[in-house]
Amino acid sequence: KAGVTQTPRYLIKTRGQQVTLSCSPISGHRSVSWYQQTPGQGLQFLFEYFSETQRNKGNFPGRFSGRQFSNSRSEMNVSTLELGDSALYLCASSLALEYEQYFGPGTRLTVT
Amino acid sequence: DAKTTQPPSMDCAEGRAANLPCNHSTISGNEYVYWYRQIHSQGPQYIIHGLKNNETNEMASLIITEDRKSSTLILPHATLRDTAVYYCIVRAYNQFYFGTGTSLTVIP
Repeated sequence: KAGVTQTPRYLIKTRGQQVTLSCSPISGHRSVSWYQQTPGQGLQFLFEYFSETQRNKGNFPGRFSGRQFSNSRSEMNVSTLELGDSALYLCASSLALEYEQYFGPGTRLTVT
Repeated sequence: DAKTTQPPSMDCAEGRAANLPCNHSTISGNEYVYWYRQIHSQGPQYIIHGLKNNETNEMASLIITEDRKSSTLILPHATLRDTAVYYCIVRAYNQFYFGTGTSLTVIP
């Protein structure tokens, strides 16, 4: 069974731009979560989707948004990029809420 | 969600058992204990989880104390490929909180 895939793997953007990251969960998984990882803050939870609905949200500004499609694929969007948004963005999928999560390889975003 | 406390780093000789402790003294009755590990710049990898009974799978064993205030992850025969940051997480319904984890170094 294929794992979680994330595209693109690497991305360079400039301040003020916006970016969209994509995540394809493991087949049959209906829950998708997003995390941001930086050297200073570690792994921080962004949001979680289940059946196209956002179920939980972390403490991030409204510039960070996401959505989930009917096939469980998910996208996250960051608008008006700031230098501090440079990070590894990780997507994780699970069968449903409360099940163990399986992570993708991440998207490395660099904001210049 | 309850928070966890882990030692920042540990060493283990190759071939020996690695015992990674975790304190979660404020855990509530419906919160599970999860363990993940992250090898440099890769996505975290699920290892094992449990509620109150000890658990074992092909990767590791999880020992949870009777009062559930602490747990230990055991890698029975550590190899160099087990060098990683290990995260202990407790979770109920909502999101996982990853703490700072334990950086395990397996020494040849």
